[in-house]
This record gives sequence, structure tokens and C-alpha cells, in this order.
Amino acid sequence: DIQMTQSPSSLSASVGDRVTITCRASQGIRNYLAWFQQKPGKAPKSLIYDTSSLQSGVPSKFSGSGSGTDYTLTISNLQPEDFATYYCQQYSSYPLTFGGGTKVEIK
Amino acid sequence: EVQLVESGGGLVQPGGSLRLSCAASGFTFSYHYIDWLRQAPGKGLEWVGRSRNKANSYTTEYAASVKDRFTILRDDSKDSLYLQMNSLKSEDSAIYYCARANMAAAPFFDYWGQGTLVTVSS
Repeated sequence: DIQMTQSPSSLSASVGDRVTITCRASQGIRNYLAWFQQKPGKAPKSLIYDTSSLQSGVPSKFSGSGSGTDYTLTISNLQPEDFATYYCQQYSSYPLTFGGGTKVEIK
Repeated sequence: EVQLVESGGGLVQPGGSLRLSCAASGFTFSYHYIDWLRQAPGKGLEWVGRSRNKANSYTTEYAASVKDRFTILRDDSKDSLYLQMNSLKSEDSAIYYCARANMAAAPFFDYWGQGTLVTVSS
């Protein structure tokens, strides 16, 4: 199984900040990497697929990059609605696996 | 509008069975892979399994943790997916989500349902 390691597990940031979350796969995943946002009590929301492609309706403040085993999610101009938990997920091979999540909190 | 609505969750005793449903609307259900995922209270996301479409013979994939206990069933005539869960354990307690896979070269999740809560406890 491919292990997905996210860091940090949590971070504190201020409105207007730019934050970066990292996801490392235990082996190469051919850029088949997605990012999801989850707010308390809500279902996950799909943000990015294929490492850097935005899902329909997702603002361009979200961006993804990476290759091989190392991937990042960057959120620019952090707004109150962006405070949530973010998960990465690989879909290169079964079983599909997720990172442990990064909780973005208000400083 | 794409919608996925899960139902069937509840309280069940260890060793018991439960069937969850995922009702889809707003898209051509038969074309898509549909997956089940879960999230234990306060924990991260875990993939449970996948139902491929008719073009791929409705084959399925499962996580090792549920293989041989859970079965994914599909009824394209009702735009519905099911998760038959047998021999339930306390560690199966979670919110269960269904999610649609966008049919790209490597299918990825684009829409999720709101989830249904399963509690396994005596």
C-alpha cells in the first residue's frame, strides 16, 4: 500500500496569509494526487485533482504542485471560510489512500 | 445538479449486518465509478471500496480491512449503490460517504454525499 504522509498535522495562520501543506507518498504516484477540504460536521469537498487541476468552481487561490513522491497544496490570501482540515489522496494504485490531514486554524 | 444521498445508517450490535444506500441524481449514474469511503469519529478519511461501471463489468475493489465482510452492490436502473456490511466490528463505526469518480484516465473523486452514521456497539 502507498502511505501518504501529510505535514504539518496542524498550523495556525492569520487572515490574508499564504499557507503551504505538504504531502509525501511512500512511492511515486504519477501525479495522481487530489486534495480535499473538510469543515466540521460536513462532507469533504474536492478541490484539486491530477496534482494541479482545480475542480469546477474552486477559486484560484488554491493551487497544487509536485511530482514523483512530493506534492504541495498552497492557499493564498487565507480567508475565514478557508479554515478547515485538508486531506491529500493518491489514486495511482489500490488501495486508494489518504494523508492524515492538516488542520488550518485561525491564529 | 449532481447529488448523492446516503441512507441506512444506525446502531447495530457487533457481529451484526447493515445495508447502506447511496441514491444518485443529476448525472448519468451508469457511466461512473462510485466509491464508498468512511471516517471514524475524530479521525481521517478511509477508502472502503469501489464499484466500476457496466463498461468495466461492474467489478469491485475493496480495502483489506473490509474485504470478505463488505459487499458493494449496484443497481443502475435505480441510480443506486449499496454497501452490504456483515460481521460488523466496533472499528467499523464511522460516517460512511459515497463519492462519484470523474471518469478520467485515472478516475478521481469530484462529488461526495453528506454521509450516514454507522455505530457498532452493544
